[in-house]
Amino acid sequence: SQQGEEDPQALSIQEGENATMNCSYKTSINNLQWYRQNSGRGLVHLILIRSNEREKHSGRLRVTLDTSKKSSSLLITASRAADTASYFCATDDGSARQLTFGSGTQLTVLP
Amino acid sequence: DADVTQTPRNRITKTGKRIMLECSQTKGHDRMYWYRQDPGLGLRLIYYSFDVKDINKGEISDGYSVSRQAQAKFSLSLESAIPNQTALYFCATSDLRTPYEQYFGPGTRLTVT
Repeated sequence: SQQGEEDPQALSIQEGENATMNCSYKTSINNLQWYRQNSGRGLVHLILIRSNEREKHSGRLRVTLDTSKKSSSLLITASRAADTASYFCATDDGSARQLTFGSGTQLTVLP
Repeated sequence: DADVTQTPRNRITKTGKRIMLECSQTKGHDRMYWYRQDPGLGLRLIYYSFDVKDINKGEISDGYSVSRQAQAKFSLSLESAIPNQTALYFCATSDLRTPYEQYFGPGTRLTVT
């Protein structure tokens, strides 16, 4: 079963705009991560946020985590056409055994 | 060269056939994983292995088997393929020290007719 659910399922924006996508999950987590998948390719790890962190930055990426609401958001600032991809959140329960992925947000950045 | 490779990249097979998907990695990671991805869905874990002698079932292992031939090689077999196993299959690896940062192969697109 899916642990995470991304919202929206699809998002289309103009180049230069910011893109925000959200992830909600059901059970307690140890870490939450975001991955990017270009069409038909493997996933690429973007950023990890620990359960005791509230916000994390990496370049144009900003991730927030609200464990009380069991939700996370990924903000991509000043988007580029190359950011067009699907974005997935993934959670782990601290057992260091496996990740559970959400269903993804398809982001399209129009030039 | 890619760190995680999968062969074949595309495969069309018939119902009832046995098929093997192969994964090799040069990252030196101990942990390897097999996932399947269906349209509009995230990845679901089929099997994972933490070393050559450690094989574990994931969420959807029925109809699949795996073999960890060496630290660098992890194969997924469909004993008797059925149409609802049509999907995109990904192999991934991770290091013991950073188990949640997984590195993915390019995927195998499998069609069962």
